[in-house]
Amino acid sequence: AQSVTQPDIHITVSEGASLELRCNYSYGATPYLFWYVQSPGQGLQLLLKYFSGDTLVQGIKGFEAEFKRSQSSFNLRKPSVHWSDAAEYFCAVDPRGGGGFKTIFGAGTRLFVKA
Amino acid sequence: EAQVTQNPRYLITVTGKKLTVTCSQNMNHEYMSWYRQDPGLGLRQIYYSMNVEVTDKGDVPEGYKVSRKEKRNFPLILESPSPNQTSLYFCASSLSGILTYEQYFGPGTRLTVT
Repeated sequence: AQSVTQPDIHITVSEGASLELRCNYSYGATPYLFWYVQSPGQGLQLLLKYFSGDTLVQGIKGFEAEFKRSQSSFNLRKPSVHWSDAAEYFCAVDPRGGGGFKTIFGAGTRLFVKA
Repeated sequence: EAQVTQNPRYLITVTGKKLTVTCSQNMNHEYMSWYRQDPGLGLRQIYYSMNVEVTDKGDVPEGYKVSRKEKRNFPLILESPSPNQTSLYFCASSLSGILTYEQYFGPGTRLTVT
């Protein structure tokens, strides 16, 4: 069955430190891959997406993610975290051929930022 | 302003009392979807619609109904709510076509069924 795993339920980093959030997927072919952010009390906002091509994708708010086919991973990174990055982050996949209609989300990773 | 709106934002109801959560988008998107968010489970898709009068089940459709009579609206109907439907619900929309794919989410509706 298709699945998305975010191994870390929560992560705490100091402001200014680097960040990496992990995401692994289980699917026969490479799906379309996404990262969303949810600030407290808000809906989800798309950070970045991967369809094909360059495996390092840039997103909004200084985030980037790297697709590694051999590891079935799509980890999210940011070189220097700001206090405003404290939020919950969701990795999501869409199976190719699904037309973008079937989205599977991971359970989320909550990011805490220490001053 | 391009947006997805949901109403109500908060709702407390009793078991068995029919309710409807409305969702509306002003971006002329073909695709709309409903999700529920529960702690530790992320978002799970309830129903989606590819266009007017075209809907299909997501991963957790039991106990829910939807309709898509107009392009902009996609209401979620709970005919007989039960406590296990207490959750945070999100509506989302996007243009069809995977290369332009980006889902826009509403602000959420927090539903409590007692």
